[in-house]
Amino acid sequence: ETGVTQTPRHLVMGMTNKKSLKCEQHLGHNAMYWYKQSAKKPLELMFVYNFKEQTENNSVPSRFSPECPNSSHLFLHLHTLQPEDSALYLCASSPGTGGWTGELFFGEGSRLTVL
Amino acid sequence: GENVEQHPSTLSVQEGDSAVIKCTYSDSASNYFPWYKQELGKGPQLIIDIRSNVGEKKDQRIAVTLNKTAKHFSLHITETQPEDSAVYFCAASNNFGNEKLTFGTGTRLTIIP
Repeated sequence: ETGVTQTPRHLVMGMTNKKSLKCEQHLGHNAMYWYKQSAKKPLELMFVYNFKEQTENNSVPSRFSPECPNSSHLFLHLHTLQPEDSALYLCASSPGTGGWTGELFFGEGSRLTVL
Repeated sequence: GENVEQHPSTLSVQEGDSAVIKCTYSDSASNYFPWYKQELGKGPQLIIDIRSNVGEKKDQRIAVTLNKTAKHFSLHITETQPEDSAVYFCAASNNFGNEKLTFGTGTRLTIIP
């Protein structure tokens, strides 16, 4: 148990659906991240939030829309996705700017399949 | 930006033997190099890291070495055990305090009993 919980663990959606991924951390951290993990590719950083403010958007298509209502919760809203968006989406947290130790704490991921 | 290459992509070793995974990075300003282990169905978890002011770090059966001149670093696992089977990722960061890591493509390590 890493202290970072992601739901749902598995999601299948059509290209016209709208769904959301949820991440919650119980570590008292102030930074949260979304990563995309595809087979045989490096983990791709998508978004970073520090103290609820978005500090990084790594040229992610607008069909992915993040939301960070507070330092403990992070959402990834999905709409009009493409089959190539099928992947494992990982949420992570860290202490935040000023407290960065180098370690990211990952959740177990949400496996997304787009039909 | 930073680019991290990792080799090999798959590695099988006999239980009890050693395993070595190598990474190279492109940004000479990188100064923090962690290694993450991802077991089946789990998220990656930090197992060891090294900063640019040291050349080697050990933690029981695992060790990491860093060659800043050549811009490469390696993970060494000795006396491998079945529970070492997992995917291992190296990563690099160009500024301690900058919460961005660039990851390698991963190495699937299989320990043969």
